[in-house]
Amino acid sequence: GQQVMQIPQYQHVQEGEDFTTYCNSSTTLSNIQWYKQRPGGHPVFLIQLVKSGEVKKQKRLTFQFGEAKKNSSLHITATQTTDVGTYFCAGPGSARQLTFGSGTQLTVLP
Amino acid sequence: KAGVTQTPRYLIKTRGQQVTLSCSPISGHRSVSWYQQTPGQGLQFLFEYFSETQRNKGNFPGRFSGRQFSNSRSEMNVSTLELGDSALYLCASSESQNTQYFGPGTRLTVL
Repeated sequence: GQQVMQIPQYQHVQEGEDFTTYCNSSTTLSNIQWYKQRPGGHPVFLIQLVKSGEVKKQKRLTFQFGEAKKNSSLHITATQTTDVGTYFCAGPGSARQLTFGSGTQLTVLP
Repeated sequence: KAGVTQTPRYLIKTRGQQVTLSCSPISGHRSVSWYQQTPGQGLQFLFEYFSETQRNKGNFPGRFSGRQFSNSRSEMNVSTLELGDSALYLCASSESQNTQYFGPGTRLTVL
C-alpha cells in the first residue's frame, strides 16, 4: 500500500531560525495537503498543492510540490514560538482516503 | 458554520468494556472519517462514511466499527477494549474525500 514518509521526526530550533520538513510518497500523488497540530490540539488544514512543481506561500510558510508529484516540503522562515506543533503531510491513497505522514514535531526555543 | 464536534471529550474505560464515540460533522459535509492517533503510530485511518455507507476501511480489527446516520452524524464503536486502544480518536468531515476538517477528538484511556 501507499506509504508517506516524513523527515525529520523531531526538530528543535532557536526562535528566528528557519525550519524545513520533507515528505515523500511511495506513489505519485494527485495532490498533497499539509496540516498543523498544536500541542493538545487537533490537526488543522493549512494548504493543498495540486500541480507538479507548485509553490505556495502563506506569510512565512512556503510549500512546494515536487516535479514528479511524489515529494513535498514545508519551509518556515524565521520561526516564532507560535509555530510550535506537529506538521503533517497527507496524500490520497489508491482508495482515495488520505494517508498521513508520521509528522514532524517542531519545538521553537525562545 | 459550526465546526466538527465530538463527544465525549474524555473517556476512561477498563479492559473488556465497549465504547461508543460520537461525531457531528460540519453542516453540509457528507463524508466523515475516523482516525486513531497514538504517540507511536501517528494518525491511522480507521474508516470513512459517506451518505450512510462505509466507503473506505483501514487496517484495524473487527472490534472497531462505525456507522453514519441520515443527518451525517457518525458513531464509532470499539468492543472488548484492550490497553492498546488508548488513544486520541479524531473525527474529520469533508465535502469530498479531500480536505479534512478535524474535530477536537475523544481521548480514550483504557485501564
